[in-house]
Amino acid sequence: AQSVAQPEDQVNVAEGNPLTVKCTYSVSGNPYLFWYVQYPNRGLQFLLKYITGDNLVKGSYGFEAEFNKSQTSFHLKKPSALVSDSALYFCAVRAGAAGNKLTFGGGTRVLVKP
Amino acid sequence: GAVVSQHPSRVICKSGTSVKIECRSLDFQATTMFWYRQFPKQSLMLMATSNEGSKATYEQGVEKDKFLINHASLTLSTLTVTSAHPEDSSFYICSARELSNYGYTFGSGTRLTVV
Repeated sequence: AQSVAQPEDQVNVAEGNPLTVKCTYSVSGNPYLFWYVQYPNRGLQFLLKYITGDNLVKGSYGFEAEFNKSQTSFHLKKPSALVSDSALYFCAVRAGAAGNKLTFGGGTRVLVKP
Repeated sequence: GAVVSQHPSRVICKSGTSVKIECRSLDFQATTMFWYRQFPKQSLMLMATSNEGSKATYEQGVEKDKFLINHASLTLSTLTVTSAHPEDSSFYICSARELSNYGYTFGSGTRLTVV
């Protein structure tokens, strides 16, 4: 069975400071990894994904994530956080090309203070 | 980019009635769509996988007779909550799988309130 862990329920950061949201996963075979952001009463917006290739993935709105196979991690990062980045962030995994459905982590609420 | 339209965004219904939620892929064909339920301040729980032209696959613990899923075309899947009760009140989100780039596009969600 595949699973995703987001160890922090909430991350607080000052505007302009670096933001990191942690994610570790467990899956059979090669993982396909995704990050999504959710604003209140809205669906999920895609930020970035790792399928294959470079371990450092750059995505939307200045976010990036690094795939670390040995640590089974896919942490989301942004060098300089904005107040507008305050939202709920979800990491998700799929079991490679043969997989179909996504398994989500519990979510991490990010609060960026001005 | 790919867009998934979900309708309605909000619905209030009386206990015992049925509610239909639509999920449409606007610019791509989606042979597979997914339906999730999200409780306040919680993660998404997969309810079922909807496959075009065949029966949906339900996750363990999800009542297939209560949550009817129809995927009659490559661009439309519907979720019908039958005989709704207050405990069915929740945020429902659909997602469509894009075959071209391994991506998943999500609808904007439906807030269902059963009174």
